Formats: sequence, structure tokens, C-alpha cells
Amino acid sequence: GQQLNQSPQSMFIQEGEDVSMNCTSSSIFNTWLWYKQDPGEGPVLLIALYKAGELTSNGRLTAQFGITRKDSFLNISASIPSDVGIYFCAASDSNYQLIWGAGTKLIIKP
Amino acid sequence: KAGVTQTPRYLIKTRGQQVTLSCSPISGHRSVSWYQQTPGQGLQFLFEYFSETQRNKGNFPGRFSGRQFSNSRSEMNVSTLELGDSALYLCASRAGGLANNEQFFGPGTRLTVL
Repeated sequence: GQQLNQSPQSMFIQEGEDVSMNCTSSSIFNTWLWYKQDPGEGPVLLIALYKAGELTSNGRLTAQFGITRKDSFLNISASIPSDVGIYFCAASDSNYQLIWGAGTKLIIKP
Repeated sequence: KAGVTQTPRYLIKTRGQQVTLSCSPISGHRSVSWYQQTPGQGLQFLFEYFSETQRNKGNFPGRFSGRQFSNSRSEMNVSTLELGDSALYLCASRAGGLANNEQFFGPGTRLTVL
């Protein structure tokens, strides 16, 4: 079946660093979504991408829909403590069913 | 607009019992999806309901079932609970048109099976 390969699985970063994560697949998708989940809460939608090549920002977050429609990345600039959490990518195929990545856990080094 | 609400937030049950979880979607949203999330794991899709009909189903045993009411509220039922059913159960709603994929999540119900 369709799969999204999300990497890295976890990241240890210093406050102020830039962060980059991505999702790849062998399948083509029509939509890419990025979510953030805080401990014990439901995921919150950060960015939605609907067009190949689209680059969208939301504050310090920037995401891109890959030109091949098989991948997407999320960048966070100048990380702050509240960026800690799990980031998920999700993609929608021609049947409009959402496929989910396994998540990237972001941890701030003390 | 109020967000997705789920009740109860926390639940403790014993093996063999059954449980019903409830989800109220965002007003106007007609699609409700359910997910299971175990510690350190991603989101495992259970099923999606749209206009009271199951539209998609994940790979879970028949002990997991759901339904949707005419007001779009949804319930999920798990029968004959097992220890491995302990998880955070998340509900998400979306407007419902197939082209609209943005799902909005509730806070989840934390189920513990003893």
C-alpha cells in the first residue's frame, strides 16, 4: 500500500537553530498537510499545500510541495522551546484518503 | 466556531469490557475520522464516516466499530477490550467534500485497559 517515509525520526536541537524535516513516497499525491502534536493533545494543522512546487509560510514555518508530487518538506527557523513536539506529515491521494507519516519528534537540548 | 470535542477525556476499563467514545465535529463538518495512537506511535486510521455512512476503513478487527448520527456526531465502540487497546483515541472532522482534506482534531480520549 501507499506509505510516507518521514525523516528524521527524532531531532535534538539547540534553541535558535533551524530545523528541517521531510516526507517522501513512491506515490503521487494531490495534497500535503503538516501537523504538530503536543503531548496528550490532538494534532494541530500547521500548513496545507495543494499545488506541486507550492511554497507556503506560517510564521517561522515554511513548507513546500515537491515538484514531483512525491515529497514535501517542513522547515522551522530559529527554533524556540514551544516548538517541541511531534510533527506529522499527511498526504492525500486521488481517492482523497489521508496517508500519514510516522512523525518527527523535536527535542530541545537543555 | 467551537472545535472538535471528545468525551470523555480519560477512561479506565478492565479487560473484556466494552467502551463507547463520543465525538462532536466542528459545526458544518460532515466527515468524522477516528484514529488510534499508542505511545511513541503514529496515527493508525480506524474509520471515516460521512453523512452517516462509513466511507473508509482501516485495518482493525471487528471489535472496533463506529457510527455517525444525522447531526454528524459520531461514536466509536470497542468491545471485549484487550490490554493492547490502551491508547489515545483521536477524532478528526473535515468539511466533507472529497476535495477538502484538511482534518481538524479533537483533544482525544485516553483509554487505559487494566
